Amino acid sequence: KAGVTQTPRYLIKTRGQQVTLSCSPISGHRSVSWYQQTPGQGLQFLFEYFSETQRNKGNFPGRFSGRQFSNSRSEMNVSTLELGDSALYLCASSLSRGRRETQYFGPGTRLLVL
Amino acid sequence: DQQVKQNSPSLSVQEGRISILNCDYTNSMFDYFLWYKKYPAEGPTFLISISSIKDKNEDGRFTVFLNKSAKHLSLHIVPSQPGDSAVYFCAAREASDNYGQNFVFGPGTRLSVLP
Repeated sequence: KAGVTQTPRYLIKTRGQQVTLSCSPISGHRSVSWYQQTPGQGLQFLFEYFSETQRNKGNFPGRFSGRQFSNSRSEMNVSTLELGDSALYLCASSLSRGRRETQYFGPGTRLLVL
Repeated sequence: DQQVKQNSPSLSVQEGRISILNCDYTNSMFDYFLWYKKYPAEGPTFLISISSIKDKNEDGRFTVFLNKSAKHLSLHIVPSQPGDSAVYFCAAREASDNYGQNFVFGPGTRLSVLP
């Protein structure tokens, strides 16, 4: 079974631009979560989508948004990029049929904002 | 304020010895905990989990211990192998009525296993 895939793997943008990242979950997984990883901060939860609806949201500004399609694929958008948005963005999927579940992570998209 | 803390940014151990990675949490509503391992240029890989109704869970060389009263968990790797060299993240989830996959991660501990 194919794992979680994320595209693109690397991205360079300039301040003020916007960016869209894509995530394809493991087949059959209905929950997709997004995380931001910066040095020393660990993984910070952005949001989670389940059945095309945002189910949970972390403490990030409204410039960060996402959506999920009917095939469970998800996109994350960041508008008006700032230098501090440079990070590794990780997507994770799970079946979400129970509370004792594991998330499976993709390789991440490394975003550099200049 | 970090709800999940990993106070040791790095740890070095000799091959064949025990590695002990520690994690402390502040939120008493956390009821499910996981450990992930991350290599450079890859996403985190699930290692082992533990529910708050248990105090120990074992899977091969990996054992996780949970001390709820101290709000502390630890991951033991025995014996340590060079391939275990990676960053280890502790993660926790709060009990709630929904099935939300909102995990809180610690900042990670870099483990180096020396041959």
